[in-house]
Amino acid sequence: EDQVTQSPEALRLQEGESSSLNCSYTVSGLRGLFWYRQDPGKGPEFLFTLYSAGEEKEKERLKATLTKKESFLHITAPKPEDSATYLCAVRGAGGGNKLTFGTGTQLKVEL
Amino acid sequence: DTEVTQTPKHLVMGMTNKKSLKCEQHMGHRAMYWYKQKAKKPPELMFVYSYEKLSINESVPSRFSPECPNSSLLNLHLHALQPEDSALYLCASSHSTRGEDQPQHFGDGTRLSIL
Repeated sequence: EDQVTQSPEALRLQEGESSSLNCSYTVSGLRGLFWYRQDPGKGPEFLFTLYSAGEEKEKERLKATLTKKESFLHITAPKPEDSATYLCAVRGAGGGNKLTFGTGTQLKVEL
Repeated sequence: DTEVTQTPKHLVMGMTNKKSLKCEQHMGHRAMYWYKQKAKKPPELMFVYSYEKLSINESVPSRFSPECPNSSLLNLHLHALQPEDSALYLCASSHSTRGEDQPQHFGDGTRLSIL
């Protein structure tokens, strides 16, 4: 059974204070690791897909990296508008494009 | 704004009511999904439709009945729900469930409250 563990559960940063969120996973045949951002009362917003170890993707202040056991979401010089819950999900070799989500990291960036 | 549109945004219903949630996408995606999300929890998969056919049912109670009338529309029919069914119901779509893996794109959900 695919499993995803995210840490920390919650993170409070000062504006400009860089940090990283962790997503550890076990999956039978990784077909993709996905990062989403979710604001309160909204649906998850797609950020990145990573497919193989060593891959990196960047978007504005966010950078996602992938190893064979975990993924990191690095946030550089965050701003208050980066406050959200960040969800990690994996798709394994089983059919149907079924995603297994982690419980998320709730990020708050303060002035 | 998301490209997956869900209506209504909020729904309050009694346990004996029948209602439907609607989802629409015009991205040409051939896979559509229903998820249930409780507060401070990740989304839980309920159903997957691939090319308008039900391909996954995650042992969801029969009081939830999905329908995919065409490649752009997905409905979730609700009947005799329980208070514990109160949650955010999310619809998502992706290019397909086969071949190259593509991300799922989510709507903003319907906030459902059962009285």
